[in-house]
Amino acid sequence: EIVLTQSPGTLSLSPGERATLSCRASQSVNSKYLAWYQQKPGQAPRLLIYGASSRATGIPDRFSGSGSGTDFTLSIRRLEPEDFAVYHCQQYGTSPRELTFGGGTKVEIK
Amino acid sequence: HLQLHESGPGLVKPSETLSLTCTGSGDSITSSSYYWAWIRQPPGKGLEWIGSIYYSGSTYYNPSLRRRVTISVDTSKNQFSLKLKSVTAADTAMFYCARVGFEAVFDIWGQGALVTVTS
Repeated sequence: EIVLTQSPGTLSLSPGERATLSCRASQSVNSKYLAWYQQKPGQAPRLLIYGASSRATGIPDRFSGSGSGTDFTLSIRRLEPEDFAVYHCQQYGTSPRELTFGGGTKVEIK
Repeated sequence: HLQLHESGPGLVKPSETLSLTCTGSGDSITSSSYYWAWIRQPPGKGLEWIGSIYYSGSTYYNPSLRRRVTISVDTSKNQFSLKLKSVTAADTAMFYCARVGFEAVFDIWGQGALVTVTS
């Protein structure tokens, strides 16, 4: 099983600042199968990034994903008030066939 | 435009079986392009994938839950279902159903159903 470790657990920033979130895998992940989600309180997660770096439909370009192998990053260029939320990374492995999530990073207002 | 909606009992007793159904509206779940999944989230914690099913009935499960989980599909009702047996308080969670899109991402989610395991 591939374990995804997200850091930091909590990121305290001000609106307008840049956020950098890390997702580290215990084994190499095919970039094609690495995604990021945003979750606000009381809501289901929303797909932000797929294929490590492609934005999902309707996602603003201040969100960007990068990385390969075991290290992946989600960046938010200038935080808007609506960006304060929890962010989850997720991977799909083909052998064995499984999907796993990281533990999440909470981006909170400083 | 596909929407998913979870339904089922909000309370389940320890050692019993948790049962939830996900109903699709606005489109069919028999599309050959997608799998369908269950995901859970204990209060204040992270997401955990439970398992996935194709409209043909082919399934794959989280190894940590495999012995207790059954996911099935009823194409005539545009539904797929989750059964989790022998539940304990540790199974208390928000349960989401979701579509597994291209590149194995969860691109459409239901709003979630909270299930509490309590005597």
